[in-house]
Amino acid sequence: GENVEQHPSTLSVQEGDSAVIKCTYSDSASNYFPWYKQELGKGPQLIIDIRSNVGEKKDQRIAVTLNKTAKHFSLHITETQPEDSAVYFCAAPGRRALTFGSGTRLQVQP
Amino acid sequence: DSGVTQTPKHLITATGQRVTLRCSPRSGDLSVYWYQQSLDQGLQFLIQYYNGEERAKGNILERFSAQQFPDLHSELNLSSLELGDSALYFCASSVVAGGQNTGELFFGEGSRLTVL
Repeated sequence: GENVEQHPSTLSVQEGDSAVIKCTYSDSASNYFPWYKQELGKGPQLIIDIRSNVGEKKDQRIAVTLNKTAKHFSLHITETQPEDSAVYFCAAPGRRALTFGSGTRLQVQP
Repeated sequence: DSGVTQTPKHLITATGQRVTLRCSPRSGDLSVYWYQQSLDQGLQFLIQYYNGEERAKGNILERFSAQQFPDLHSELNLSSLELGDSALYFCASSVVAGGQNTGELFFGEGSRLTVL
């Protein structure tokens, strides 16, 4: 089945700095890579996704890049704000369901 | 608000007991997924139903079972509870069926289970 590894597990940045979270996947047939944000006391929520026919996708301050050859994808958040503080999960489609990474706790210091 | 409703939000019980967690998916979504999130852990897939039928099974213990009813709500039953079952249990729904794991999942706010 799909195996998704995510790094780092925690990340602390100053407000206004950029944050990068990286994930690797094992199944070369995977074609869909979403990122979810989980705020305290809430369920995860999709913030951006990318399909395998593109290498990069942007949505305002967030972007995702995909390297199919290396089987890794990354989330980039620019001009971080305190409200970006949350746990972020990458995911890839497994044989049975979406397989999630172990999560990255992002703390944006004001 | 994702449109997915989970009850109860919090549950405290003792070892050996049985509990039932309930999930109402978004209107129109036929797929329901159950995930377990232990402390500082990621989301572990338990089981998925599509339009009342079990579609996929993940790392679900034999002590756990689930079902999806004709009105599409789902219940997760956890029995013979152990301390290690303490976790957040999330329900998610989506439009697509299990074989197409490329659609957005809409998560509820979770049910926090504490086993003492």
